[in-house]
Amino acid sequence: DIQMTQSPSFLSASVGDRVTINCKASQNINKYLNWYQQKLGEAPKRLIYNTNNLQTGIPSRFSGSGSGTDYTLTISSLQPEDFATYFCLQHNSFPGTFGGGTKLELK
Amino acid sequence: QIQLVQSGPELKKPGESVKISCKASGYTFTDYAMHWVKQAPGKGLKWMGWINTYTGKPTYADDFKGRFVFSLEASASTANLQISNLKNEDTATYFCARGDNLDCWGQGVMVTVSS
Repeated sequence: DIQMTQSPSFLSASVGDRVTINCKASQNINKYLNWYQQKLGEAPKRLIYNTNNLQTGIPSRFSGSGSGTDYTLTISSLQPEDFATYFCLQHNSFPGTFGGGTKLELK
Repeated sequence: QIQLVQSGPELKKPGESVKISCKASGYTFTDYAMHWVKQAPGKGLKWMGWINTYTGKPTYADDFKGRFVFSLEASASTANLQISNLKNEDTATYFCARGDNLDCWGQGVMVTVSS
C-alpha cells in the first residue's frame, strides 16, 4: 500500500494567517490527491480533488498544489470556520490511503 | 442536492453482528460506486473497499476480507455494510462515500463493541 505522511500533525494559527499542510506519498501518485476538512462529529468535506481542483462551493482561499510524491494544501487567509482537522487521500491505486491528519487550532 | 444518510449508532457485544446502511439521494445511485471508510477512535482513516452499485460486485481491502460484507438494496438507493463476529477493534465510525473520488460522504455511524 502507498504510505501517506502528512505534516504537521498539529498547527496553531490565527485568523488571517496563511497556512500550509503537506502530504508526502511513498511513491508517485500521479496527482490523484484529494484534501478534506473534517469538523468534530461531521462528515468529511472534500475541498480539493486531483491536487488542485477546487470543489464547487469551497472558498478560493483554499488551494492545492504538487506533483509526484509531494503535495500541499494552502489556506491563504484563515477564517474562524477553518479551524478543523484536514487530511489528504491518495486514490491513485487501491487501496486508497489517507494522511494521518492535521488538527488546525486557534492560537 | 447529493446526500448520503447513514443509519444510527450501534452498541454491540463481541461476537455479534451489525448491519449499517447508507441511503443515497440527489443522483442516480448506479452511476457511482460506494466506498466504505473506517475511522477508529484516535486513529487515522482506513479505506475498507467499495461496491460497484451497477453490478453489485464488492472489492475489499486486505484488512477487511472475511467478516465484512458490502451489499446493496439498489431499488432503495441504499448500500449496506455488515460486520460479523464483532471484535473490540471494530469499535469505530464507519463512513460511506460516493465514487472513486470520494466526493461526498455520509455522516458516519459509530459502532461500539463492548461486553
